[in-house]
Amino acid sequence: KNEVEQSPQNLTAQEGEFITINCSYSVGISALHWLQQHPGGGIVSLFMLSSGKKKHGRLIATINIQEKHSSLHITASHPRDSAVYICAVLMDSNYQLIWGAGTKLIIKP
Amino acid sequence: DVKVTQSSRYLVKRTGEKVFLECVQDMDHENMFWYRQDPGLGLRLIYFSYDVKMKEKGDIPEGYSVSREKKERFSLILESASTNQTSMYLCASSLGTAFHQPQHFGDGTRLSIL
Repeated sequence: KNEVEQSPQNLTAQEGEFITINCSYSVGISALHWLQQHPGGGIVSLFMLSSGKKKHGRLIATINIQEKHSSLHITASHPRDSAVYICAVLMDSNYQLIWGAGTKLIIKP
Repeated sequence: DVKVTQSSRYLVKRTGEKVFLECVQDMDHENMFWYRQDPGLGLRLIYFSYDVKMKEKGDIPEGYSVSREKKERFSLILESASTNQTSMYLCASSLGTAFHQPQHFGDGTRLSIL
């Protein structure tokens, strides 16, 4: 079983829809990262969080430490949001990063 | 803005060749990382470096080596390339304690070994 599971693996939605991407993990963590990878390959860090909720523009990230679960939400989705969204957790035992396999999001106009 | 530059976007090499992938960052970051990314798998750490001339093995170091002679440059070397090393290679850098800070990534090098 993978230590970091993302769901769904693939998601296609219409422009304007509210998007939720999930990340569940099975290890103790000190922080969780959400990153975005565009089709060209470059990866951009979106959020690093260890509790509660963070918001940046149309993106919202939440984490529930007790349930070992985080969600990334996109409001009023747009075709330019099409990308792979990656969750990574920082283990609190050895401070190593464990990466999820990513969620491929396609927003259709 | 931090810029991490990888020397090639696409590279095609032959089995048995020695392959060099170069990465340069311009923000004086202490830490640099090499990952490979394969379909359906999360990023896998090959090597990282927290200082000049220092290196640490990641999860999958076999078949690879690294060099960090200057703070801004971190090179990944495939000693004798094999077809199972065909992959996307991503370089990253970060400030401070190795994994606590957000990492800044290059655009990746898509390497094909024939």
